[in-house]
Amino acid sequence: EAGVTQFPSHSVIEKGQTVTLRCDPISGHDNLYWYRRVMGKEIKFLLHFVKESKQDESGMPNNRFLAERTGGTYSTLKVQPAELEDSGVYFCASSPRFTGGNYNEQFFGPGTRLTVL
Amino acid sequence: GIQVEQSPPDLILQEGANSTLRCNFSDSVNNLQWFHQNPWGQLINLFYIPSGTKQNGRLSATTVATERYSLLYISSSQTTDSGVYFCAVWSFNKFYFGSGTKLNVKP
Repeated sequence: EAGVTQFPSHSVIEKGQTVTLRCDPISGHDNLYWYRRVMGKEIKFLLHFVKESKQDESGMPNNRFLAERTGGTYSTLKVQPAELEDSGVYFCASSPRFTGGNYNEQFFGPGTRLTVL
Repeated sequence: GIQVEQSPPDLILQEGANSTLRCNFSDSVNNLQWFHQNPWGQLINLFYIPSGTKQNGRLSATTVATERYSLLYISSSQTTDSGVYFCAVWSFNKFYFGSGTKLNVKP
């Protein structure tokens, strides 16, 4: 079974440009999460999709970030315009539908390393 | 949100040595996972351990939820164990991560 995949693995852009990150969750996983780790700090939650619906986007830093999950399959995270402080590693994770509780083991993708110059 | 503290922040070991990494958390949690971030940046699931003890080869983990801590044991360390180890706790439908323990195993 294929794991969570992310594209691109690395992206280097200039301040003010736009970048779109993509995440393909494990097939059949309803839950999809975005996290990021900036400047060696802890990994922080950005948002959570259940299928195509945004369940929780409390971690999105500002309106320069837009996440979508059309059709409830893959997700994109767009940063427009990118700022220097957006540099870091962006992780995607997925988990199966919650049954009998509100948690299932999450599986993380390899991350996209974003560098804004 | 929940505070997650990991210790030590940095650890240098000689190959073959054993070590214990600790994760303290500030409130009751629904679940806990340990991850290893390898030198290529990938987050690898090690343990899904809300309570009790689990073992997988040279690694084992124990979570005492009532006392709000978890321990990760690495025995007979190898150079491939190097990287950053993260503890993450699940609460309010999201993960809260610690800052990690950076492990360097020298040959």
